[in-house]
Amino acid sequence: GAVVSQHPSWVICKSGTSVKIECRSLDFQATTMFWYRQFPKQSLMLMATSNEGSKATYEQGVEKDKFLINHASLTLSTLTVTSAHPEDSSFYICSARTVVVNDEQFFGPGTRLTVL
Amino acid sequence: AQKITQTQPGMFVQEKEAVTLDCTYDTSDPSYGLFWYKQPSSGEMIFLIYQGSYDQQNATEGRYSLNFQKARKSANLVISASQLGDSAMYFCAMREDYSGGGADGLTFGKGTHLIIQP
Repeated sequence: GAVVSQHPSWVICKSGTSVKIECRSLDFQATTMFWYRQFPKQSLMLMATSNEGSKATYEQGVEKDKFLINHASLTLSTLTVTSAHPEDSSFYICSARTVVVNDEQFFGPGTRLTVL
Repeated sequence: AQKITQTQPGMFVQEKEAVTLDCTYDTSDPSYGLFWYKQPSSGEMIFLIYQGSYDQQNATEGRYSLNFQKARKSANLVISASQLGDSAMYFCAMREDYSGGGADGLTFGKGTHLIIQP
């Protein structure tokens, strides 16, 4: 099946710093990637949709200036959390959509961000 | 109103028994897709099964089957012959093809924590 990787798998940073998370589709091209956030013991919430070569589409309530998304190629999307604060601590998961089988979305393993 | 409702926050099931995880959904789109994912403690999201709104037959994937009742807007997951390794969080999700947010991004339910007991 299609494989999606994320890097790093976990990161701890100081408040005020920026953190970049990479999402890669390893064996397929993904024109669309999605970024989700999951707080402890809660569900996944869609943050934004990332389309290769165009600006990301953000969900209501998600600050586009704080969560910068770049989808520079068909296999890579990045999420940068700018000036991170403790309330940004969460599990960030990306997914890549393939239309090959049932429009399935393949998820990355997630990145656990802890902001001190 | 919630788009995806999972009414069972937690379930305990004896090993080898069948288990049904409930999911109801709310959409006015004529075309949509329903998904079930398993999330073990490691956090990864594992795709289990998919049902398209126009699919005539219930989806099946090995021990997983989806009981799709379109008129009732329900998409329950059935796991047959449960195993200890099935213990995890299970999320029901929906993709709305016309009005869904984020151009096909998924809307998730709150999940059901399934624990299989030996």
